[in-house]
Amino acid sequence: DGGITQSPKYLFRKEGQNVTLSCEQNLNHDAMYWYRQDPGQGLRLIYYSQIVNDFQKGDIAEGYSVSREKKESFPLTVTSAQKNPTAFYLCASSITQGVGYTFGSGTRLTVV
Amino acid sequence: AQSVTQLGSHVSVSEGALVLLRCNYSSSVPPYLFWYVQYPNQGLQLLLKYTTGATLVKGINGFEAEFKKSETSFHLTKPSAHMSDAAEYFCAVTGKSGNYGQNFVFGPGTRLSVLP
Repeated sequence: DGGITQSPKYLFRKEGQNVTLSCEQNLNHDAMYWYRQDPGQGLRLIYYSQIVNDFQKGDIAEGYSVSREKKESFPLTVTSAQKNPTAFYLCASSITQGVGYTFGSGTRLTVV
Repeated sequence: AQSVTQLGSHVSVSEGALVLLRCNYSSSVPPYLFWYVQYPNQGLQLLLKYTTGATLVKGINGFEAEFKKSETSFHLTKPSAHMSDAAEYFCAVTGKSGNYGQNFVFGPGTRLSVLP
């Protein structure tokens, strides 16, 4: 079955460490997205990519980085510059930008 | 620019009662509107969407929503709540613009509790 796979489901990071969250899709979707979710704040867009080797900053890109070397993969790195990284991170994809998102099951990142 | 408001961060209903979750939007282009549901520690699942055509759209799990352009609303309803409907619900808007659509804008979410 086609879908989006996020891994790991739970991730713990020490202060000052970089961590990478994985997002893989086999839906043949062109566009992929990363959102951050905090309680009571809904979803906030971190980065998005419309096509391989191209990506754009969203509303809260500071302290994050991404790559899009393959159509199927859109990993998110949370760098040490992100001062408050504890959150639930959601990856999504769509056939074209803005049409019918499919979401992964999320990664919960906690700073310890 | 687009935006979404959802009236009520938390709504409680009794099992069997009507569910009404409110969503109002603003959009400078004809909107595409969506409702998503999220269960704890899971991703978002599409409930229903409006793009063009019939303004009353039916989705999964007995939910439906009506697009009212004059009221800039897209409220979600279900005639009879079930315990399994307890979840967080997000309204989202996007719009067709040029070769690529615009990104989604999500509302802040409404947590639905269903009381026995």
